[in-house]
Amino acid sequence: GAVVSQHPSRVICKSGTSVKIECRSLDFQATTMFWYRQFPKQSLMLMATSNEGSKATYEQGVEKDKFLINHASLTLSTLTVTSAHPEDSSFYICSARKVGQTNYGYTFGSGTRLTVV
Amino acid sequence: SQQGEEDPQALSIQEGENATMNCSYKTSINNLQWYRQNSGRGLVHLILIRSNEREKHSGRLRVTLDTSKKSSSLLITASRAADTASYFCATAPSGYSTLTFGKGTMLLVSP
Repeated sequence: GAVVSQHPSRVICKSGTSVKIECRSLDFQATTMFWYRQFPKQSLMLMATSNEGSKATYEQGVEKDKFLINHASLTLSTLTVTSAHPEDSSFYICSARKVGQTNYGYTFGSGTRLTVV
Repeated sequence: SQQGEEDPQALSIQEGENATMNCSYKTSINNLQWYRQNSGRGLVHLILIRSNEREKHSGRLRVTLDTSKKSSSLLITASRAADTASYFCATAPSGYSTLTFGKGTMLLVSP
């Protein structure tokens, strides 16, 4: 199967600091990974599409300088929340899909609960 | 932007009963997918139905798709307490595009 590993699962940081979240495809290559944000009891909102070897594509309203995305290899994408503030506290989830599997769903990481104090 | 709208927003049933969740969407799609999310966890893919399919089964799951009405339903038969979770539909306008998620249905199955 396709497995996506996301770390850390939980992180608490102070306002003004930066936090990096990793998303790895363990047993497949992913040229594209996706980063979502989810507020309590709400749905997933796509933040950006991470493309291996090129710049990420951000959704409207998402600050690219605040949410830095790097997709340096076919198995790793990172999301860095820079100068975090309490309003950035949320559940962040990444997903990826194995290249060529158009008739299968996407594989999601287990999510990262970010709390900014 | 959110495209899918699930109803009901919350559903509470007893073990053994069937649970039906509905999803409506607005634009043309290539496929529609259903996912499950346990509290505080990532999403697990349940089933994908393509735009040229009308019904699909997987174990206790049955999904229907009506492209003329832009709607889909997910039926879980003989529910179990372990089915307690949030269920989301997600649409993809093309095979390689991003997913747009609905608001989800929170299902509570009581023993």
